[in-house]
Amino acid sequence: QVQLVESGGGVVQPGRSLRLSCAASGFTFSNYGMHWVRQAPGKGLEWVAVIWYDGSNKYYADSVKGRFTISRDNSKNTLYLLMNSLRAEDTAMYYCAREDPLALFGELYTALDYWGQGTLVTVSS
Amino acid sequence: DIQMTQSPSSLSASVGDRVTITCRASQNISSYLNWYQQKPGRAPKILIYGASSLQSGVPSRFSGSGSGTDFTLTISSLQPEDFATYYCQQSYSTPGFGGGTKVEIK
Repeated sequence: QVQLVESGGGVVQPGRSLRLSCAASGFTFSNYGMHWVRQAPGKGLEWVAVIWYDGSNKYYADSVKGRFTISRDNSKNTLYLLMNSLRAEDTAMYYCAREDPLALFGELYTALDYWGQGTLVTVSS
Repeated sequence: DIQMTQSPSSLSASVGDRVTITCRASQNISSYLNWYQQKPGRAPKILIYGASSLQSGVPSRFSGSGSGTDFTLTISSLQPEDFATYYCQQSYSTPGFGGGTKVEIK
């Protein structure tokens, strides 16, 4: 069955860096785009970044652009998020999610169909 | 960026009630709209994609409608396991989520 397992979260001081990992199994990882989505404590969902199935394209939310880098290693079935210059407002649960393309009435839609359990990042001095 | 606005932000309802949640996009997104359910301490779960298509395994009491800028998620008869927070998400461009609607027990 499809599994996504995040790791790498923890407590980090402002201005420091952290790298999150998401280990994928149960599907052909190299066929799917992958996302990072975060949720601050008690708040809603915020999309962070996406990477295409082959790593050829990457897009970021304005709030993290220039500080975060999404990458993947298809040989290791692993997604990464390198977070630099961390700020208190980056404190959140970070989820990785698979993007499923769905054909419907001749159009191609996408949805996040599988999510990991999340890894908590706390930015605090 | 496309802004997604959900209403209400919370509601109280009883088991068996019909519940409607709305989502409005700041520009035309055709039918590129998904709905998710999230329970406390859990990851979100996809319910509906393409505005109205039910994800496999999701109960038929959930339905979605709308296109363009205005969308609706309806739960026809609320069940105890449906008390959760619901989010809309546009997939027309780089993804964006609505602020969420918390469905609480009356």
